[in-house]
Amino acid sequence: DTGVSQDPRHKITKRGQNVTFRCDPISEHNRLYWYRQTLGQGPEFLTYFQNEAQLEKSRLLSDRFSAERPKGSFSTLEIQRTEQGDSAMYLCASSLGQGARDYGYTFGSGTRLTVV
Amino acid sequence: AQSVTQLDSQVPVFEEAPVELRCNYSSSVSVYLFWYVQYPNQGLQLLLKYLSGSTLVKGINGFEAEFNKSQTSFHLRKPSVHISDTAEYFCAVSHMKTSYDKVIFGPGTSLSVIP
Repeated sequence: DTGVSQDPRHKITKRGQNVTFRCDPISEHNRLYWYRQTLGQGPEFLTYFQNEAQLEKSRLLSDRFSAERPKGSFSTLEIQRTEQGDSAMYLCASSLGQGARDYGYTFGSGTRLTVV
Repeated sequence: AQSVTQLDSQVPVFEEAPVELRCNYSSSVSVYLFWYVQYPNQGLQLLLKYLSGSTLVKGINGFEAEFNKSQTSFHLRKPSVHISDTAEYFCAVSHMKTSYDKVIFGPGTSLSVIP
């Protein structure tokens, strides 16, 4: 297993279009997290899954954002009707057990979204 | 609610010199503390973490950090930096009592090692 994979690495889209990003976590990791990172800032928590259950989504930025992890493996993050303010790096991370307390997160390289 | 402050947004330092990156946190409850490093165009990598026990924590790449509860600080140090240490460093905190471990990150400190 080579770590957490995110696809695509870069996405340029026109304002108003929908975009979907995919994250493949480390296979044995039961927890999966989405973060957003804007230029010059630290990652901002969006949502998190334990297996297929989405246990925290209150930080999703608006109802245009949604995330799924249908079989407890890969996850998708969708942004509908994109706006220029959505331009950012979207990071996925996964972890085992109690997560950060035990092992820390393993991050993917991120998907950089540019909305024009 | 927790928050993390990294007092220096940019730290330039000469190669082989020591460095300290400062981190302060705010929380009404006990927390776990972390330092992550992000190299250009890469994801974040865990450097070290404090969960409990000894307040001096050693991590990868020769880094160490000291937890100071009274000062609510978790500063990162390295006695001699290398060019390869040039990266963005993030301090982070996680709430001890929640059933899940949402990690809150600071804004980051950009370390530039000068040859």
